[in-house]
This record gives sequence, C-alpha cells and structure tokens, in this order.
Amino acid sequence: GAVVSQHPSWVICKSGTSVKIECRSLDFQATTMFWYRQFPKQSLMLMATSNEGSKATYEQGVEKDKFLINHASLTLSTLTVTSAHPEDSSFYICSASGQRENVRHNEQFFGPGTRLTVL
Amino acid sequence: GIQVEQSPPDLILQEGANSTLRCNFSDSVNNLQWFHQNPWGQLINLFYIPSGTKQNGRLSATTVATERYSLLYISSSQTTDSGVYFCAVEDPNDMRFGAGTRLTVKP
Repeated sequence: GAVVSQHPSWVICKSGTSVKIECRSLDFQATTMFWYRQFPKQSLMLMATSNEGSKATYEQGVEKDKFLINHASLTLSTLTVTSAHPEDSSFYICSASGQRENVRHNEQFFGPGTRLTVL
Repeated sequence: GIQVEQSPPDLILQEGANSTLRCNFSDSVNNLQWFHQNPWGQLINLFYIPSGTKQNGRLSATTVATERYSLLYISSSQTTDSGVYFCAVEDPNDMRFGAGTRLTVKP
C-alpha cells in the first residue's frame, strides 16, 4: 500500500499557542488529502478535505479560521491549530488519496496520527 | 449524508476463534473500505471492497452492494488482531466512518 507520514507524532503545548501538523505522501502524488479528528474511544470525524492548489472544504461545525489547512503540493498538506485550547486536545489523523500504480484514485491511506495535548 | 452502522460494538474472543463483523450503510456507495486501528492509533487498510468478495490470509470481506451491507470475517483470531475495526464508505467525495467494532482477543 501507499505510505503516508505525519509529523509530529505527539505534541504538548500551552493554551493560546499555535501548532502545525504536517502530512506527507511518501510514494505517491496525493491529489486529495483529508484531516480527521478522533476523541478517545470514538470514531473518526472528518474535519476537512483539501485538493492540491485549492482551498480546503470544511465540514459543518469546523472553524476554518481555527483549523488552517494548506495543501501546497501533491505530497504535503499542513493543519495548523491556531490559538489552541484544552478542548482542542485530540488525536488528529490525515489521509491521502491520489495517483500511483496499483492505487485506486479514491482509496484512502492514513498517516499514523498526531496526539495533541493542550495544557 | 450516508449513515454507517457497525455491529457488534464490542467483541471479546478467545485466541483461535472465528468472528464476523458487520457494516450496514444507508445508500449506494462507490467505495467501501475496512480498516484496522491498532492500539497506537494507526489505521491499516484491510480491504477496498465496494462489491464482491476478497480474501487476504485469515481475513476476508464480502460486500453486497444491492443490500447495503458488508461483512468482515476473521478466522483463527490472534492476539495481534485486537483493536478497532472500522468500515468507511464514500459519501460521495469523502469517507464516512462507522462507530467501529472493538475487538479483544484473549490468549
């Protein structure tokens, strides 16, 4: 399968600071990247979908000014949590779909996730 | 949007037992995937199966698209199979996840 990396794998920050999470597709061109949020013992909730070179599409209830998404290249998308607060603490997971031999265009591959703790 | 329901929510097995996990969805879909989320949070692709049957080792999956359900079979379960199993369907440009089945395999 295709490989997606995320960095950092965990981060602890103070309330009010901003945190940037990177998502990279290592061996394929990710035309679309997705950002999910997962609370303990719950399912994944889609936050936003981004296509390379265009603005992200946010799900209802997700503040686009708080969760800034940039998909500047076919291998990199970033999620910035601005002015983080304790309620933003969660597990953030990215996924990517795209073009590669033996990879279906709408099959998603997931990064390992980033655990954010806001103190 | 499409509703995705998984059952059972929790499952405890003895090592070596077989199990069937179910995923029901409320509308026709172009894509259905099964994932295993390990204890560290990593989601591992198991099957891309919008229809038909596939097998990979001890795992197999069947999707009956006309009846809007998919089944994941785990045979001869091992402790390393523990974790949460999610099905997700395309809706239509993003994926909707079920609530998952939490599987615990005891030695």
